[in-house]
Amino acid sequence: GIQVEQSPPDLILQEGANSTLRCNFSDSVNNLQWFHQNPWGQLINLFYIPSGTKQNGRLSATTVATERYSLLYISSSQTTDSGVYFCAVAGGNEKLTFGTGTRLTIIP
Amino acid sequence: NAGVTQTPKFRVLKTGQSMTLLCAQDMNHEYMYWYRQDPGMGLRLIHYSVGEGTTAKGEVPDGYNVSRLKKQNFLLGLESAAPSQTSVYFCASTNAGGSYEQYFGPGTRLTVT
Repeated sequence: GIQVEQSPPDLILQEGANSTLRCNFSDSVNNLQWFHQNPWGQLINLFYIPSGTKQNGRLSATTVATERYSLLYISSSQTTDSGVYFCAVAGGNEKLTFGTGTRLTIIP
Repeated sequence: NAGVTQTPKFRVLKTGQSMTLLCAQDMNHEYMYWYRQDPGMGLRLIHYSVGEGTTAKGEVPDGYNVSRLKKQNFLLGLESAAPSQTSVYFCASTNAGGSYEQYFGPGTRLTVT
């Protein structure tokens, strides 16, 4: 199956800093999603982005499908951005394979 | 519009006991999924369903059974619980033919002693 690697595993930043999270995958994909798991465990879908670039407020994501990676950008970090960010991919559209996540801690 | 809900939120079982976790969604989604999340790991797919009356195995199906008798509900059963099934269980749903964004329930924390 498809392998998903996320980096870095942990990231600690001051409030207001910018960050870039990376997701590498081992095969071509039709489906790529980014999720945020908040400190209370809730998983929120941030982006569905199998290719191209999308932006939503302070967050943006870019997927370069031909080079098998995706980047999640967080600008002007806030403490509410803390949590674990997961990348998940699928070769078809039915079954996602999740990476092990990047744990982001924003210090006030 | 409640989205995806899970029942119960917490449960403690003794080894060998059985239980059923219920997932319900009110978004008329075709696909539904059950995942487990263990410390330091991402989510792993247990079983999934692409429509009412259909189910399929995911990455870690052993020890679990599922049923999708109604489109809005997806049940996960543990027939004989084992300590290795201590985990947080998440249900998700998505709309086939759309953007395939998965929407998650709040999770069920299960401890097997």
